[in-house]
Amino acid sequence: GENVEQHPSTLSVQEGDSAVIKCTYSDSASNYFPWYKQELGKRPQLIIDIRSNVGEKKDQRIAVTLNKTAKHFSLHITETQPEDSAVYFCAASSEDSNYQLIWGAGTKLIIKP
Amino acid sequence: DTGVSQDPRHKITKRGQNVTFRCDPISEHNRLYWYRQTLGQGPEFLTYFQNEAQLEKSRLLSDRFSAERPKGSFSTLEIQRTEQGDSAMYLCASSLDRGAEAFFGQGTRLTVV
Repeated sequence: GENVEQHPSTLSVQEGDSAVIKCTYSDSASNYFPWYKQELGKRPQLIIDIRSNVGEKKDQRIAVTLNKTAKHFSLHITETQPEDSAVYFCAASSEDSNYQLIWGAGTKLIIKP
Repeated sequence: DTGVSQDPRHKITKRGQNVTFRCDPISEHNRLYWYRQTLGQGPEFLTYFQNEAQLEKSRLLSDRFSAERPKGSFSTLEIQRTEQGDSAMYLCASSLDRGAEAFFGQGTRLTVV
């Protein structure tokens, strides 16, 4: 079955700098890759997603890149702000698994003022 | 709020008691998921429904756990003979269909004492 690995587990960056979180997946049939942000005590919320027919997607300060050959995808946050501090989860799913999301272990992003 | 709602938000129970949680998904969503999340971990899949049919149940799920979605709308998750290891946040999510964005409820935090 699918396995998703996420790195790093904790990332501390200076406010204004960029942050990059990486995930790798094992199932080459995976074709949907969402990223969720979870603030302390709150629900996970989708911030961006990408499908396998696209290599990159951007939404303001957030971008996701996908390398299908290497089976990895990354979240990029530019010009980080204090409100970006949260835990970020990547996930992958495929038609073969009936689109059940397989989650990474999460990255705690700390934005230092 | 027309999002996914869960009830109760918090539940404290004594070991050995049964508990039941409710999830009301977004009204037109066909898919409903239950996850369990412990501190510092990503959501762990428990089960999901397509309309009223329970299509998959995690192999890690004890027989003490049961879920229903009788009319394809709200769902209940019951844990029988609770154990301290059941203490966690129980998250419900719904999506319009397979491969679509999953929206999470705020979760039910269970504490077994």
